[in-house]
Amino acid sequence: NAGVTQTPKFRVLKTGQSMTLLCAQDMNHEYMYWYRQDPGMGLRLIHYSVGEGTTAKGEVPDGYNVSRLKKQNFLLGLESAAPSQTSVYFCACSIRQVSYEQYFGPGTRLTVT
Amino acid sequence: SQQGEEDPQALSIQEGENATMNCSYKTSINNLQWYRQNSGRGLVHLILIRSNEREKHSGRLRVTLDTSKKSSSLLITASRAADTASYFCATLAGAQKLVFGQGTRLTINP
Repeated sequence: NAGVTQTPKFRVLKTGQSMTLLCAQDMNHEYMYWYRQDPGMGLRLIHYSVGEGTTAKGEVPDGYNVSRLKKQNFLLGLESAAPSQTSVYFCACSIRQVSYEQYFGPGTRLTVT
Repeated sequence: SQQGEEDPQALSIQEGENATMNCSYKTSINNLQWYRQNSGRGLVHLILIRSNEREKHSGRLRVTLDTSKKSSSLLITASRAADTASYFCATLAGAQKLVFGQGTRLTINP
């Protein structure tokens, strides 16, 4: 089992470009999350999903959109990238409630110039 | 805003010594979790302690929770070079969000 995978691993965008980050999990978990990690800031929740077809905003949702069309996939979109979105993005999942342990992907390092 | 705050921000010890990291939080919790992150990798869950538990062990890890002081500590005994990583505590804020602290960077010197 691959667990949680993220594609791509690295990406450089120019300001204003768009892109989609893909998260896939083969653990059959209900809950999925997108975080960003910045130096000195810890992890901050962007959006999350409690099941297929549902999404909700986290702590820092502005500038991002998400979709959960299939249970195993959670997509994070940047419609018009800004330098402030330069960060490392992590996807995670948990079996049921958010209080359960979360399993993380390896991360996507995004640079916006 | 961060719910959990780790202390110290950085810790450097000799191999074989014990490492202690602390986490303080602000509001009532359902549980508190500790995660490890090796450089350039994703977070790995270490241990979960529920609000009605005071201490929990897992191998060389010992976690304590003091809900009256809103604090937790993670002790790693007999440290090894492979323990070099950042350690994060995470607590529930509201019903649906797990909030992570800024982490403690632990370096184990040979």
